[in-house]
Amino acid sequence: AQSVTQLGSHVSVSEGALVLLRCNYSSSVPPYLFWYVQYPNQGLQLLLKYTSAATLVKGINGFEAEFKKSETSFHLTKPSAHMSDAAEYFCAVSAGAAGNKLTFGGGTRVLVKP
Amino acid sequence: GAVVSQHPSWVICKSGTSVKIECRSLDFQATTMFWYRQFPKQSLMLMATSNEGSKATYEQGVEKDKFLINHASLTLSTLTVTSAHPEDSSFYICSARRARTQETQYFGPGTRLLVL
Repeated sequence: AQSVTQLGSHVSVSEGALVLLRCNYSSSVPPYLFWYVQYPNQGLQLLLKYTSAATLVKGINGFEAEFKKSETSFHLTKPSAHMSDAAEYFCAVSAGAAGNKLTFGGGTRVLVKP
Repeated sequence: GAVVSQHPSWVICKSGTSVKIECRSLDFQATTMFWYRQFPKQSLMLMATSNEGSKATYEQGVEKDKFLINHASLTLSTLTVTSAHPEDSSFYICSARRARTQETQYFGPGTRLLVL
C-alpha cells in the first residue's frame, strides 16, 4: 500500500518569492511520484513526474522537484512565484509502474500575493 | 498529445434519477481508465479501475451497484450514478492509460454533478 502526505493545506507566497510545497510518501515498492496542478473547476494537469531516472526532475512552468529516498520526500519548488501559479497542487504516488492507479495527497492551495 | 474528454461537464439532476458520465480518449486507445471522485476542497479518491472488455475493479467502500462502470471500447468508459442522492454531488474525474503501455495516466477535465 502507498500513501502521500502533503504538509500544509494552504501556502501563501508573494509574487517573485520561492514556492515550496512539501510531499512525503510511503510505498512498499519503488514509487513513481507525480505533481499535478488543478485550477478551479478543471481537471488535473501534470507538472512533473519521477520514474526512477534522475532524482531532480524538471517540469513545466518552471517547477522542479527532488526525489529523496532517505527522506521519503518529493518536494516541489519554483524559484519565483507568478500570479498564474495560484491553484491547488496535488502530490501523488503509484506503485509498480507510472500508469498504475494513483494515491493522492490532500492537496495544497497556493495563494500568490502581489 | 493525448487528450481525454468527459461529457457532460456539468449535470444537475433530481434525487432518485440516474446520470451517465462519459470518458473518452480522443487520440489514443486506452485499455485502462480510472474514475476518481473529488468532494469540495478535498483530494481525489480513486473509485474504480475500468478495463476494456472486463468488469471494473472497485475500491473498498465504493458501491458497485450504485456506480456502474462500463468500458465497452478502447476509447470509451462510462460511469452511471444510479438513483443519485444529494450526497453523490461531487466532481468526477476520469483518466486513461494508453493501451499496451505503463505510461502516466492522462486526465479528463472532470464532470460536476449536482443532485437536488
